[in-house]
Amino acid sequence: GQNIDQPTEMTATEGAIVQINCTYQTSGFNGLFWYQQHAGEAPTFLSYNVLDGLEEKGRFSSFLSRSKGYSYLLLKELQMKDSASYLCAVKDSGAGSYQLTFGKGTKLSVIP
Amino acid sequence: DAGITQSPRHKVTETGTPVTLRCHQTENHRYMYWYRQDPGHGLRLIHYSYGVKDTDKGEVSDGYSVSRSKTEDFLLTLESATSSQTSVYFCAISEQGSHEQYFGPGTRLTVT
Repeated sequence: GQNIDQPTEMTATEGAIVQINCTYQTSGFNGLFWYQQHAGEAPTFLSYNVLDGLEEKGRFSSFLSRSKGYSYLLLKELQMKDSASYLCAVKDSGAGSYQLTFGKGTKLSVIP
Repeated sequence: DAGITQSPRHKVTETGTPVTLRCHQTENHRYMYWYRQDPGHGLRLIHYSYGVKDTDKGEVSDGYSVSRSKTEDFLLTLESATSSQTSVYFCAISEQGSHEQYFGPGTRLTVT
């Protein structure tokens, strides 16, 4: 099975940097995803990490440490439109390798 | 955006009635998924399909059945709706060899 933990809520200031952490304990691992979900909308894909290290994509970066069961999403130069929930998800390995298990999400509020 | 639609987008029904939700894709992707999203639980997998007429259970499959007679359509049926099935239901699709899942706009179901 999978167990994924992330903070429930965070608040940050416009223009600042925020780091959203995710820890996981899994029976199998084939990658970690971050999704963004604005209120009342569908989740949209942000990033995918399968190897240790940092993946950068514009203002967003995602880091993975497989040995520690740890990932973070780093958002730079925060904008008001970044107010959303951020979902961490782990992809299983083996027979269920196309399935994702999601954490409960972190609701980020960006304030002026 | 991936071509995924869900119908209906909103539905109110009474306890004990059957309900069918439809997911339709125009991407010809092999894998399709049904999730439910509830406060405090995040996204949880109900059922998934890995091809026409090939389906399997997810984490919270009790009380739900699915069918996939065509690549483009994946139906979720609540045989006898209960109040605990009040939720937002998301369909998602993915292609073999791809890491991303693309989500539909969601269906808000209320069982009274």
